[in-house]
Amino acid sequence: NAGVMQNPRHLVRRRGQEARLRCSPMKGHSHVYWYRQLPEEGLKFMVYLQKENIIDESGMPKERFSAEFPKEGPSILRIQQVVRGDSAAYFCASSPPVGGTGANVLTFGAGSRLTVL
Amino acid sequence: KQEVTQIPAALSVPEGENLVLNCSFTDSAIYNLQWFRQDPGKGLTSLLLIQSSQREQTSGRLNASLDKSSGRSTLYIAASQPGDSATYLCAVPRDDKIIFGKGTRLHILP
Repeated sequence: NAGVMQNPRHLVRRRGQEARLRCSPMKGHSHVYWYRQLPEEGLKFMVYLQKENIIDESGMPKERFSAEFPKEGPSILRIQQVVRGDSAAYFCASSPPVGGTGANVLTFGAGSRLTVL
Repeated sequence: KQEVTQIPAALSVPEGENLVLNCSFTDSAIYNLQWFRQDPGKGLTSLLLIQSSQREQTSGRLNASLDKSSGRSTLYIAASQPGDSATYLCAVPRDDKIIFGKGTRLHILP
């Protein structure tokens, strides 16, 4: 069981470029959460997904940010036209299906650190 | 609206001391509470999970308590060691998401 896998671990982009962050949940986990951590700040919820369905995106900025969790493959957090303020650590977490044992018990990945030049 | 507050924001103590980290939450209708540890530049490691029916959980030198009625949880660290230096976060569910406090940055002085 490899745990929650995030890649890339570090990503550098210039202003205006696109950033794609990937997350593979733990085996058996069907729900994925994305959080953002700004320097010296706490973890802020962004989006909660299950396969092919966005359950809650109330924490996502209205523009430039999108997330998906396709039927096959990892969940992807996409940031278009990045700006310096997007520089942060982006953490993915997964949990078992709702109603299952341990629902809402999160296992985190190591994070992807985005630096916008 | 669920809000999570952690006090103190930062704490420095000499090695060997016992210490308590505090977490409070505004909505007591939770079904679990998790404590995490985050090392600088790293991800989060789950330390303890307390279900709403439990009063406390223990793992080694760590003991977490939960008082739902007062909206509080404490993380007790016994015989602190320099390796305990990290940021400690508590988290509670709110609707379909997990809400985090800002954490307590702990520094154990050798």
